[in-house]
Amino acid sequence: EAGVAQSPRYKIIEKRQSVAFWCNPISGHATLYWYQQILGQGPKLLIQFQNNGVVDDSQLPKDRFSAERLKGVDSTLKIQPAKLEDSAVYLCASSHSTTGELFFGEGSRLTVL
Amino acid sequence: SQQGEEDPQALSIQEGENATMNCSYKTSINNLQWYRQNSGRGLVHLILIRSNEREKHSGRLRVTLDTSKKSSSLLITASRAADTASYFCATDKGAQKLVFGQGTRLTINP
Repeated sequence: EAGVAQSPRYKIIEKRQSVAFWCNPISGHATLYWYQQILGQGPKLLIQFQNNGVVDDSQLPKDRFSAERLKGVDSTLKIQPAKLEDSAVYLCASSHSTTGELFFGEGSRLTVL
Repeated sequence: SQQGEEDPQALSIQEGENATMNCSYKTSINNLQWYRQNSGRGLVHLILIRSNEREKHSGRLRVTLDTSKKSSSLLITASRAADTASYFCATDKGAQKLVFGQGTRLTINP
């Protein structure tokens, strides 16, 4: 079974530029998550999708971050404009509706200069 | 906001010893999960314990849950160098919304 795929693995941009991350979850997983993990900290939930609907985006900085999950499969997370404090690893995860455990991708490491 | 708080923040032991990590949380939960993260990688699910369970085993892992104290512990027995990683607890209050703690960095010395 293929795992959660994320790209790109690494991205370096200047502040005020934009960036987009892509995630392809495990086939059949209805729930998809984006987490932000700052170095030395635990993952912080940015947004949770159930199929293509948003379950929770209370911690998503909506003035600069946006996410979509068209057709309830792939998802993209966009940051525009980026700030220095956005430097982090962006983790995508998916889960089946019945088991409860999350499967994570390898993450996309963003450095904002 | 972070729900789970792990203790200690860092732990260094000799290979073959047992490692114990603790997690405390603030509100009622449906289940509590433990994850491992190797440096530069994504998180890997280790074990899930439901709110009506008190103890669960998986190989060299033993997890306990005390809902009256709102705490959980993860025990790794007979540690190996490959167990070196960060360990996170995550609480699920419902709707599969997981909130992670800050993690415990475990180092196994050969």
